Amino acid sequence: AQKVTQAQTEISVVEKEDVTLDCVYETRDTTYYLFWYKQPPSGELVFLIRRNSFDEQNEISGRYSWNFQKSTSSFNFTITASQVVDSAVYFCALSYLGGATNKLIFGTGTLLAVQP
Amino acid sequence: DAGVIQSPRHEVTEMGQEVTLRCKPISGHDYLFWYRQTMMRGLELLIYFNNNVPIDDSGMPEDRFSAKMPNASFSTLKIQPSEPRDSAVYFCASSLLALGNTEAFFGQGTRLTVV
Repeated sequence: AQKVTQAQTEISVVEKEDVTLDCVYETRDTTYYLFWYKQPPSGELVFLIRRNSFDEQNEISGRYSWNFQKSTSSFNFTITASQVVDSAVYFCALSYLGGATNKLIFGTGTLLAVQP
Repeated sequence: DAGVIQSPRHEVTEMGQEVTLRCKPISGHDYLFWYRQTMMRGLELLIYFNNNVPIDDSGMPEDRFSAKMPNASFSTLKIQPSEPRDSAVYFCASSLLALGNTEAFFGQGTRLTVV
């Protein structure tokens, strides 16, 4: 079965703290893709990153970084020096192409509240 | 590009009425997806199209739901008759290629309330 687990329902931090959002996935496919999306209070879903199963290199984009570890089936997201504008719900998602389907399977999301 | 455009942004309707949600994907994108977001079930795929053809509608909850894509720049999701349990945020998304080779871009969603 394909599944994404975000065990952290809510996280509250104070501005400038670092915070890591956990994502654990399950899939039997050898080729799969992982994504992170941000949903700010305004409600839209904003794409952050896409990673394929053959690329385990970590990635950094400004204050954002992602740690992909196939050994633990995890794709964690770290925000360094958090800001109030980072307050949002963050979704991890999995996509696979097996069975001629093409869908994003989302985790339940982590609500991040950054306090000033 | 203006991104994925959905209309209306908010819809309040009475139980039993027909509701039509509209979506304009990003120009040139071959894939279009309809998702529903609820507190109970989170984000779930309802249906997706490839080159205007429905490929997977296994997520459509029941026959009251139908989706069409008459051309590459327009899609509708219709609920007839609507029920209070259909209240949710409905997202449309599009992607240039199959997911994995690219990412999906989402519209701002339509918040549907059925009273």
